[in-house]
Amino acid sequence: QQQVKQSPQSLIVQKGGISIINCAYENTAFDYFPWYQQFPGKGPALLIAIRPDVSEKKEGRFTISFNKSAKQFSLHIMDSQPGDSATYFCAAIRISSGSARQLTFGSGTQLTVLP
Amino acid sequence: DGGITQSPKYLFRKEGQNVTLSCEQNLNHDAMYWYRQDPGQGLRLIYYSQIVNDFQKGDIAEGYSVSREKKESFPLTVTSAQKNPTAFYLCASSTRDRALDEQFFGPGTRLTVL
Repeated sequence: QQQVKQSPQSLIVQKGGISIINCAYENTAFDYFPWYQQFPGKGPALLIAIRPDVSEKKEGRFTISFNKSAKQFSLHIMDSQPGDSATYFCAAIRISSGSARQLTFGSGTQLTVLP
Repeated sequence: DGGITQSPKYLFRKEGQNVTLSCEQNLNHDAMYWYRQDPGQGLRLIYYSQIVNDFQKGDIAEGYSVSREKKESFPLTVTSAQKNPTAFYLCASSTRDRALDEQFFGPGTRLTVL
């Protein structure tokens, strides 16, 4: 059962454009939503994260928008650059359970930013 | 430099053989994790450990085994019982108190079964 659905699978954007990646979750117990960036042959690295008590979080060119009622969240990359070309994963975790520290990942989006 | 190291980077195995993947961290993190990554499927949790001498199964533990004898080390053994072991394996760690905030990932080991 895929608890976090991510789209699109791949995305091509021109330099300077806006990249948008969407995720939807099913488990309402999730209460922390990080995004990871992965370059080829490397491990993922935390990019930005949000808790459901806020609707938006911005860090530089990266913004997470969160819609709790729709159980959806998205990553916006403003002024996309070729160096942003990577695979992006959304994830979700239930931090309030006090036990498992299990991240549930989306399937990933391969972003290509054309020069 | 603090971080997570995984070795080897590439590993080839014949069918029927067990193989052990190494993961070492010098971040003084309590919790460690093993994930498997397949194309188009994201990362799936194999095993995790919150403290030394304790570990828990993740979503896809069948055919894998782990040990946690030292805080710094969390080796993963891919046994012959794992029917489709070819994948990219990622190790991660986090502090137990702040596990909710960030898991730090190693560079991964690509395992190919011949």
